[in-house]
Amino acid sequence: NAGVTQTPKFRILKIGQSMTLQCTQDMNHNYMYWYRQDPGMGLKLIYYSVGAGITDKGEVPNGYNVSRSTTEDFPLRLELAAPSQTSVYFCASTRRGAEQYFGPGTRLTVT
Amino acid sequence: QQPVQSPQAVILREGEDAVINCSSSKALYSVHWYRQKHGEAPVFLMILLKGGEQKGHEKISASFNEKKQQSSLYLTASQLSYSGTYFCGTEKGNYGQNFVFGPGTRLSVLP
Repeated sequence: NAGVTQTPKFRILKIGQSMTLQCTQDMNHNYMYWYRQDPGMGLKLIYYSVGAGITDKGEVPNGYNVSRSTTEDFPLRLELAAPSQTSVYFCASTRRGAEQYFGPGTRLTVT
Repeated sequence: QQPVQSPQAVILREGEDAVINCSSSKALYSVHWYRQKHGEAPVFLMILLKGGEQKGHEKISASFNEKKQQSSLYLTASQLSYSGTYFCGTEKGNYGQNFVFGPGTRLSVLP
């Protein structure tokens, strides 16, 4: 039982490049979330999903896209990377009314 | 809308107690508490649900005043390992939507 896994752990992107952050959970949770955390700050919700095929925007969705084709996977797509997207990205999953399980995070630098 | 946390930071000596508060202007379904150490993912401490149900670690206690939409986390007989940033998270509905974290409270426990 691996919990929530994220890949890659670290990535450096050039301005204008695109990439996909992967997130997989093996707990059969319906709800999954993507957060970003800037240095010294709290977590901001980017997108969330309440089940396969269902996604919705959080607080800071601009510049990102998501999809949820299976219960296990919830990839986050960055299009046209900008320096403002330099952050640590956390994926989390949960079931209704329960705690969120977080992945280890992806540290992204855009230069 | 982001919940408000107080205090922003607190310094304790080992064995001392602390209270961290979280308040929201919106009617809440649940309040979550997480602790994050530097460079790591948040770790679940406690969840308090509308109606009085609580789930969490034995050594952690918290309260949720549904009328005032306020929650407090009580840390008693603090240990060095309690150091970190404490975040409350709130959700309005019971379907995982609009989960929002507070800005965090930085707790330092000194020997």
